Amino acid sequence: GAGVSQSPSNKVTEKGKDVELRCDPISGHTALYWYRQRLGQGLEFLIYFQGNSAPDKSGLPSDRFSAERTGESVSTLTIQRTQQEDSAVYLCASSLKAAEGGEQFFGPGTRLTVL
Amino acid sequence: AQSVSQHNHHVILSEAASLELGCNYSYGGTVNLFWYVQYPGQHLQLLLKYFSGDPLVKGIKGFEAEFIKSKFSFNLRKPSVQWSDTAEYFCAVNTNAGKSTFGDGTTLTVKP
Repeated sequence: GAGVSQSPSNKVTEKGKDVELRCDPISGHTALYWYRQRLGQGLEFLIYFQGNSAPDKSGLPSDRFSAERTGESVSTLTIQRTQQEDSAVYLCASSLKAAEGGEQFFGPGTRLTVL
Repeated sequence: AQSVSQHNHHVILSEAASLELGCNYSYGGTVNLFWYVQYPGQHLQLLLKYFSGDPLVKGIKGFEAEFIKSKFSFNLRKPSVQWSDTAEYFCAVNTNAGKSTFGDGTTLTVKP
């Protein structure tokens, strides 16, 4: 596709359930980023991938959060045992190469609501 | 650790007024600097960027930003705003280690 895509666009889940969020980056982009944006707040860095490896996982809020990327393409962000404070928009972005520190292209986000 | 501070949380202007949004960052090494914009109902998109060279950079829709290294600042400016500039604006810093940090954003409301 022409841009970054994310699915689902909206996810409503019950507290304690696991959720999986998906990101398809722009073809050829080796770097992929995950952010969280709570209502009225800025973007909170979660993790980034260069290829299939994640050099910086420092932003993951807890061990309930994990992410993986396969084939230098699709990435999934998994949140286990969801809590109400996990409710937010989860944004994915991709760029050509992380080390170049260049422009990131953002997807539309997944709005997660934990009841 | 790197950080980005945007001074104004919400700015309200009338059309044709001049705009300046403040952004300061803290990081000891080389950085690339960005302003992103999110119009209502749309994705985040790049407004302008600074990598090196002329510290005054021009972006889309008449926006510009000036990198002042001694002040660790990258303020966004526009001489005359329009109603269509109503959006949320984010300053961001990337290092060559790949880490990306965004400010909390500034919501700009332009009254017609």
